[in-house]
Amino acid sequence: GQNIDQPTEMTATEGAIVQINCTYQTSGFNGLFWYQQHAGEAPTFLSYNVLDGLEEKGRFSSFLSRSKGYSYLLLKELQMKDSASYLCAGEFGGGNKLTFGTGTQLKVEL
Amino acid sequence: DTEVTQTPKHLVMGMTNKKSLKCEQHMGHRAMYWYKQKAKKPPELMFVYSYEKLSINESVPSRFSPECPNSSLLNLHLHALQPEDSALYLCASSQTASGVNTGELFFGEGSRLTVL
Repeated sequence: GQNIDQPTEMTATEGAIVQINCTYQTSGFNGLFWYQQHAGEAPTFLSYNVLDGLEEKGRFSSFLSRSKGYSYLLLKELQMKDSASYLCAGEFGGGNKLTFGTGTQLKVEL
Repeated sequence: DTEVTQTPKHLVMGMTNKKSLKCEQHMGHRAMYWYKQKAKKPPELMFVYSYEKLSINESVPSRFSPECPNSSLLNLHLHALQPEDSALYLCASSQTASGVNTGELFFGEGSRLTVL
């Protein structure tokens, strides 16, 4: 299978900026998704990167480097409601196969 | 309508029972998925249907049997499950062209299954 690695847990302060990193094996790679999942809820889509570079969407930005097998999710002006699990997911091969990383549990504190 | 609807939300079943999980979407998506998620773990892909045909089976035990009656519906038939199969089962859908995903997955809220 495809290895997708991200930190297990992170803690940050309300109003601050946090960067969640994700690395993956580049073989067969098509694109990379970031999802947010609150406890007991379904994952919700945040971003999709296919090309190298930074995609900005409000307080959330996502970066991709295809050659390095690396992505990050940047969250600005953190709010308490941003406390959630952030899932990095890679799309590999040609058949709708999305593989999730272990998820990063982000805790936002006062 | 950008929803993926799953029923039931909760299901408790014995190891000898036969039950089914249902999923429905009306976004015109032609790819539909079943994922299994254990507590504090990421979703694990089980099955992918593309244009109502099974395109991916991630070596899932035969006690799980998927069915795609039409482009809007996806079922997961359950029979002779084990307690370790207790998990959140997530359905998702996405646009697809020629079997290649072309955008985000929309997830349902999941069916929480407990096997006694």
